[in-house]
Amino acid sequence: AQTVTQSQPEMSVQEAETVTLSCTYDTSESDYYLFWYKQPPSRQMILVIRQEAYKQQNATENRFSVNFQKAAKSFSLKISDSQLGDAAMYFCAYRRPIYSGGYQKVTFGTGTKLQVIP
Amino acid sequence: EAQVTQNPRYLITVTGKKLTVTCSQNMNHEYMSWYRQDPGLGLRQIYYSMNVEVTDKGDVPEGYKVSRKEKRNFPLILESPSPNQTSLYFCASSLGTSGSEGNEQFFGPGTRLTVL
Repeated sequence: AQTVTQSQPEMSVQEAETVTLSCTYDTSESDYYLFWYKQPPSRQMILVIRQEAYKQQNATENRFSVNFQKAAKSFSLKISDSQLGDAAMYFCAYRRPIYSGGYQKVTFGTGTKLQVIP
Repeated sequence: EAQVTQNPRYLITVTGKKLTVTCSQNMNHEYMSWYRQDPGLGLRQIYYSMNVEVTDKGDVPEGYKVSRKEKRNFPLILESPSPNQTSLYFCASSLGTSGSEGNEQFFGPGTRLTVL
């Protein structure tokens, strides 16, 4: 069974600084997708960034980027120039491709609560 | 507006009283799923559906039922709720095609359920 581990329950960063949230996963599959979701106090789940396992290039979305290390099964999220609005819970998630057939469970980590200090 | 809607948003009920949480999406998505979120445990998948009349268990299906009679709707049914089902519930959907866009999940706003 796939597992996703976020080992940092809480983290803090000074406004305008850079912070990295870690995520590791365990799988025997070669093709899969990884996601980072943000959950602000409103509880809405917002997609931050996604990565396809067969793509070696790390995904980037504005101030958010990932460091995807497939061999190490690591998928960390880097937030640059942190803003007050980045304060939220962040979840890492793993899923097999829908087109691959078979079970289609999605596995989330336990989350990292990010505090941004003014 | 493309969205996933859930109703009700908040519900307080008593043990054993059957309830249904509705979920609807207007994006013609194939894949739909239910999760529960508990402190320290993240989101755990309850059930998912690949298409109409096709459902399968997630990691925590005990005490829940689902149905997918129409593509847009995926209700979550608690036949006899218990206090350990007090949680925040999310419905989500995916297009179901290849590529990262097809596998991305869109989430509803959540339903806060309290079972006394």
